[in-house]
Amino acid sequence: DTGVSQNPRHKITKRGQNVTFRCDPISEHNRLYWYRQTLGQGPEFLTYFQNEAQLEKSRLLSDRFSAERPKGSFSTLEIQRTEQGDSAMYLCASSSDRDIGNTIYFGEGSWLTVV
Amino acid sequence: KQEVTQIPAALSVPEGENLVLNCSFTDSAIYNLQWFRQDPGKGLTSLLLIQSSQREQTSGRLNASLDKSSGRSTLYIAASQPGDSATYLCAVRPGPGANSKLTFGKGITLSVRP
Repeated sequence: DTGVSQNPRHKITKRGQNVTFRCDPISEHNRLYWYRQTLGQGPEFLTYFQNEAQLEKSRLLSDRFSAERPKGSFSTLEIQRTEQGDSAMYLCASSSDRDIGNTIYFGEGSWLTVV
Repeated sequence: KQEVTQIPAALSVPEGENLVLNCSFTDSAIYNLQWFRQDPGKGLTSLLLIQSSQREQTSGRLNASLDKSSGRSTLYIAASQPGDSATYLCAVRPGPGANSKLTFGKGITLSVRP
């Protein structure tokens, strides 16, 4: 069990460019979450997948954001036409319905800086 | 709307001290509460999870308690060490089903002085 893996760890991009982050959840975890965290704040929920189905999206997830989990395993989060306000750490997490407590495990995060 | 508060925002203690970190939440209808540790620039590490039916959970020098009716949880750290320096976040979850996102506090940044 290698934990939740996120790539890239850091991304610096110019305003207006598109970026994509990848998340590989813990093996056989059926639930996958994306959160966003800015300095001094707790993580804020963005979206949630159960297997390949995207079941909930936060109002924080504007039309420029899209997330996919095509085969119910890894997930991607794409941000189009990036803005400076998108600068944050994007955290992926996963959990399993087989875990009675449904503990949620987070990855190391992907830092985005929009210049 | 659920709100989670962690006060104070920062805490500095000498090594060896026992300490308590507080977490309060406005809606007592929670499924569980989870405490996380976050090192600077890193992701979140799960420390303890308490189900709504439980009163406390223990792991090593850590003990987390939950008083759901009053909307409070505490994380007790015994014999603190410099390696415990980090930000500690609590998060609550409304249910086990599809709409089960975590709501986080802003965290308490702990500094343990040698």
